[in-house]
Amino acid sequence: SQTIHQWPATLVQPVGSPLSLECTVEGTSNPNLYWYRQAAGRGLQLLFYSVGIGQISSEVPQNLSASRPQDRQFILSSKKLLLSDSGFYLCAWIAGRGGSEETQYFGPGTRLLVL
Amino acid sequence: AQSVSQHNHHVILSEAASLELGCNYSYGGTVNLFWYVQYPGQHLQLLLKYFSGDPLVKGIKGFEAEFIKSKFSFNLRKPSVQWSDTAEYFCAVNAGYGGSQGNLIFGKGTKLSVKP
Repeated sequence: SQTIHQWPATLVQPVGSPLSLECTVEGTSNPNLYWYRQAAGRGLQLLFYSVGIGQISSEVPQNLSASRPQDRQFILSSKKLLLSDSGFYLCAWIAGRGGSEETQYFGPGTRLLVL
Repeated sequence: AQSVSQHNHHVILSEAASLELGCNYSYGGTVNLFWYVQYPGQHLQLLLKYFSGDPLVKGIKGFEAEFIKSKFSFNLRKPSVQWSDTAEYFCAVNAGYGGSQGNLIFGKGTKLSVKP
């Protein structure tokens, strides 16, 4: 069966420090991968999605970036964190080509607090 | 731009009460609609979804939702809630167009607290 992992589970970082969050998927190949951020009272906001290795699309301009070095690995990064980057970061995947009828499956999330 | 509105930020009910959580979306074309639930300490998971056909959709754990196209709504209902339904509920829309197929637009979520 397919599983999705995220780490770390919780992270506290100072303003201006770098960030690297990792997401990996098991049990599937060539998934579409997604990064969302859930900020308090603001729902889930799509940040990036990827349809394949090295292919990244950004939905919201910001100081975050994403990379997909391997088929089942999706990384969220920042060179310098801002206070506003605090939130709950969720990775999600769908098998196949991202057709509109496909269900997204979510990872356990990473809670980031920037101080 | 597409958007999803969930009317209630926090709903508090007693066990056995009936539940209806509102969800409205703004998009004039064909949409796919989802309700996700996040129980305390657990992953976000799919509760139910609507793609086409019968506008009354039944999901897991006795939940159902009705798609009313004329009202751009997809409200979630349950006749009798249980304490274990305490969770945060998210409505989501996928317009399924172009390169953004599969991308979901989420509402801000509604926290449901059920008192035993």
